[in-house]
Amino acid sequence: GAVVSQHPSWVICKSGTSVKIECRSLDFQATTMFWYRQFPKQSLMLMATSNEGSKATYEQGVEKDKFLINHASLTLSTLTVTSAHPEDSSFYICSATGNNQPQHFGDGTRLSIL
Amino acid sequence: AQSVTQLDSQVPVFEEAPVELRCNYSSSVSVYLFWYVQYPNQGLQLLLKYLSGSTLVKGINGFEAEFNKSQTSFHLRKPSVHISDTAEYFCAVSENNAGKSTFGDGTTLTVKP
Repeated sequence: GAVVSQHPSWVICKSGTSVKIECRSLDFQATTMFWYRQFPKQSLMLMATSNEGSKATYEQGVEKDKFLINHASLTLSTLTVTSAHPEDSSFYICSATGNNQPQHFGDGTRLSIL
Repeated sequence: AQSVTQLDSQVPVFEEAPVELRCNYSSSVSVYLFWYVQYPNQGLQLLLKYLSGSTLVKGINGFEAEFNKSQTSFHLRKPSVHISDTAEYFCAVSENNAGKSTFGDGTTLTVKP
């Protein structure tokens, strides 16, 4: 089946640094990718929708300057958490879809900011 | 606007017992419905989906779900659970097969020996 690879799976960094998370569709062209945030024991919260070659659409309350999303190709989208702080610590999950396929999810990235 | 309510936050069951995880939704338009499973520190894996047609949908790992339009429900069932079914289960609704989804708060299924 379709595979979505997310990297890194775990990252720990100091407060104030920027962190980039990659989401790749390995065997299909992902025209749309979604970025979610998940707090412990909670559901997934959609942060933004990115369409290849276009600016991302952010959900209400999500700071676009804080969470930079790039979707420059049909197989890669990146989420950069800029000037990360401890409150940005969370589990970030991407999903990809294309050709009317349902969403295929990456394995997530656990981000810990010290 | 759409919303999803998973009626049980935690469901403990014994191995080989049947289980039902309940999901209700609300939407002003026709919807697509999904059930996902999430194991610790992993992403979501699609168990099954309802797009149209037969209201009884069979998925992977022996799970099935029934779409009930009048009750706006999409409950997930398995006749006999295994220890390995212990995980978090999410019900989700979307306006189309490939669009963004609204997720329920999740149900923690714990299968005990």
